[in-house]
This record gives sequence, structure tokens and C-alpha cells, in this order.
Amino acid sequence: NAGVMQNPRHLVRRRGQEARLRCSPMKGHSHVYWYRQLPEEGLKFMVYLQKENIIDESGMPKERFSAEFPKEGPSILRIQQVVRGDSAAYFCASSPPGLTYNEQFFGPGTRLTVL
Amino acid sequence: GDSVTQMEGPVTLSEEAFLTINCTYTATGYPSLFWYVQYPGEGLQLLLKATKADDKGSNKGFEATYRKETTSFHLEKGSVQVSDSAVYFCALIEGYSSASKIIFGSGTRLSIRP
Repeated sequence: NAGVMQNPRHLVRRRGQEARLRCSPMKGHSHVYWYRQLPEEGLKFMVYLQKENIIDESGMPKERFSAEFPKEGPSILRIQQVVRGDSAAYFCASSPPGLTYNEQFFGPGTRLTVL
Repeated sequence: GDSVTQMEGPVTLSEEAFLTINCTYTATGYPSLFWYVQYPGEGLQLLLKATKADDKGSNKGFEATYRKETTSFHLEKGSVQVSDSAVYFCALIEGYSSASKIIFGSGTRLSIRP
């Protein structure tokens, strides 16, 4: 069973461009979580999605950031008009369906560098 | 809000040394506590967990005990190996639902010398 897949692993963008980060959850997992790790800091929660629904986006910046998890295909974290402060590692995690807490399995992350 | 504070790194030890990485937390309720490990180039992996006071989590020779009175969850290992070199994150969740967000500490980088 393949783990959580994220691509690309490294992404370089110039200021003002768009960044698209993809996350394929583990097989059978319908819950996806995105976290951001700024340099020298811990991971911070951004958004929690189930298929076709955003459940909790309380950690997402109000502007330029959006996330989706369509019925088919990977979850996408989209950052429009990137700025240098968006440079970070973005981690996706997935868990099985259910109302109680299940272990979140993490992907290897996408390291975004904004020039 | 809830938070986790852990020992700053980097920590460098010789092989077979005793390891302690300190972790304290602030939470309004009764959180569950975790230690995650991140090996170079990989995602975070759950190392161990404890869901209530006085529980001891253990895995791969690592242990941590949930101490409510001191709000701590220190990670220990009696004899470290070179393969333990990684970044270690202390973390908590409030509640125990699928919507529970993990709150992480800033991570402690551990390097073990042969």
C-alpha cells in the first residue's frame, strides 16, 4: 500500500506566479489535512478536507490560498500570486473515514521556494 | 490557545548515550499527546502516543509518559543509535474526532555520532 504521495517535491516560483501542490492520500483514506512548516518552526495546520468538502479552513490565510479535494483525483493546495513569505515546506496528511480520531499519515512534503 | 514547547536543538550525542528531549504543553482540556519523527527526505511518522494522564507511550526503545501535573511529555531512550538521527516533533490534539488538528512543537534535530 503506497503511502501519501505529494508532488512536486520541490517547487520554485517567482513572486506573482501561482503554485499548485498536489496530494494523493493513501488508498481508502477520505480525509486530507494540509500543514505548513515555515523555516525553523513547527508544522501549522492549514485546512481539513473530505471528498468535495472543506471541513475546517481555520488555518488558511484569508487571501491567495485555496484548497480542494475533488471526487476524483488528488487534493490540490493552490497559492496565487506567491510572495517570498510563502516559502515553506507544505505537508499533506491523510486518514481513514470515520468520526473519531484516526492516525494521520504524512507525505514527504513539497518544499516551495519563492524567488 | 493550545501550544507545545520543546527543547531546542540541535542535539548531538554519541552512540549508546542516554537521550532526553523535553516537551511541555498548554491545553484547556485533556489533550492526547504524540511524538513524531522525521527522517531526512521523508514525511513525519508517528513514533508513540499517550491519550490520558500517566499513560506511557513506547516504540523502538523510545518512551514518554503523560504527566498532567507538570504538563510534560518528555521523550527518552536509554541507548541511542546512529539510525536515530532525525528531527523529533512533540504534538497534541484536543478532543478525539476526525476534525482534531495536530498542534506541533518546533522540532528538535538529533544527530548521533558513531
